[in-house]
Amino acid sequence: NAGVMQNPRHLVRRRGQEARLRCSPMKGHSHVYWYRQLPEEGLKFMVYLQKENIIDESGMPKERFSAEFPKEGPSILRIQQVVRGDSAAYFCASSKRVIGRGGDTQYFGPGTRLLVL
Amino acid sequence: GNSVTQMEGPVTLSEEAFLTINCTYTATGYPSLFWYVQYPGEGLQLLLKATKADDKGSNKGFEATYRKETTSFHLEKGSVQVSDSAVYFCALYSGAGSYQLTFGKGTKLSVIP
Repeated sequence: NAGVMQNPRHLVRRRGQEARLRCSPMKGHSHVYWYRQLPEEGLKFMVYLQKENIIDESGMPKERFSAEFPKEGPSILRIQQVVRGDSAAYFCASSKRVIGRGGDTQYFGPGTRLLVL
Repeated sequence: GNSVTQMEGPVTLSEEAFLTINCTYTATGYPSLFWYVQYPGEGLQLLLKATKADDKGSNKGFEATYRKETTSFHLEKGSVQVSDSAVYFCALYSGAGSYQLTFGKGTKLSVIP
C-alpha cells in the first residue's frame, strides 16, 4: 500500500513565477491536508480538503495561494507570483476520515521543498 | 487557542543513554496527542499516539503517556541508538470543529556512538 505521494520533491522558482505542488493521498483516503514548514519551525496548517471541496482554509494566506482536490487526480497547492518568503517545505497529509476521539490519523508525504530565488 | 510546547534542542546523547523529550499542551476539550519523527530530508512519520487520558502510546522502544492533570505527553526511550537521530515533533488534535494538527517546534536529537 503506497504511502502519500508528493511531487516534485524539490522545486526551484524565480520570484514572480508560479509553483504547483501535487499530492496523491494514500489509497482509500479521501481527506487531504496541507502544511508548511519554515526553517527551524514546526509545521503550520494551511488547508483541509475533501474531494471537490475545501473544508477549512483558515491557515492559507489570503492572496496568491490556492488549493484544490478534484474528483480525479491529485490535490494541487498552487502559489502564484512566488516571493522569497514562500521558500519552505510543503507537506501533504491524508486520512481516511476526520480525526475524532479514538479516531483516525494523518499520514504525511515526503514533502516538496520549494526554493524561491 | 491550541498550542504545543516542546523542550528546545538540540539534544545530544551517547548511544544507549536514556531519552526524555518534554511536551506540554494547551487545548480545549480532550485532544488526541501524537509524536511524529522526521529524518533528514524526509517527511514526518507517525511514531505513536494516545487518544485519552492515561493512555500510553508506544512504538520502537519509545513511549509516551497522556497526562491530563499535567497536560503533558513526554516522549521517553530507555536506550537510544544512532539511528534514532532525527527531529521529533509533538502534536495535538483537538477536534471540536478544528481539522488541523497543532505542532510543537520540534526537538532535534543527535545520538553519538
